Amino acid sequence: GQNIDQPTEMTATEGAIVQINCTYQTSGFNGLFWYQQHAGEAPTFLSYNVLDGLEEKGRFSSFLSRSKGYSYLLLKELQMKDSASYLCAVGDSNYQLIWGAGTKLIIKP
Amino acid sequence: GAVVSQHPSWVICKSGTSVKIECRSLDFQATTMFWYRQFPKQSLMLMATSNEGSKATYEQGVEKDKFLINHASLTLSTLTVTSAHPEDSSFYICSARDWGRGDYNEQFFGPGTRLTVL
Repeated sequence: GQNIDQPTEMTATEGAIVQINCTYQTSGFNGLFWYQQHAGEAPTFLSYNVLDGLEEKGRFSSFLSRSKGYSYLLLKELQMKDSASYLCAVGDSNYQLIWGAGTKLIIKP
Repeated sequence: GAVVSQHPSWVICKSGTSVKIECRSLDFQATTMFWYRQFPKQSLMLMATSNEGSKATYEQGVEKDKFLINHASLTLSTLTVTSAHPEDSSFYICSARDWGRGDYNEQFFGPGTRLTVL
């Protein structure tokens, strides 16, 4: 079957760094996406990885290892507004997105 | 670019009535749109994939006669919740894929519609 695993909840301190991991097992692979979702709002796109390695975009970076079926989202210089759920999603062989359950990130002052 | 709108943003209706939710791609043509449902504190659940000009493909466990999807144009898909009941109360989100934007299958999300059935 197809499966995306990520931690349910994480807590971090304002100004610190946090890494949210995602492991996946899917039928085919057409890229891995990270989305941010604030409570009561729709998801917004953060990053896309299709090749191994690190993609950096400002305070956010995303890493992919296809051989390990593993990705992480790295958030630096955390701000209170980063408190949200972070969703990992993988495009399968049919270009459908398989979604993880999301990681709720709580930022404390 | 790549803006998706939904209407209405929220709706309250009586049990037994039908509710139509519209999803529009404002600045691109979306041959494929997706309808998701999200219950509180849960992740997105794909309900169906809507392809312009053809019947929608429903996920297992989603009643196609209850959740009617129409994708009559390249910029509009509608979801109609027929004979809504309180258990249908949820956050309904659509997304659209723009095949013309590069070579990856990013989905652009609408703002969502919160449905409350009394």
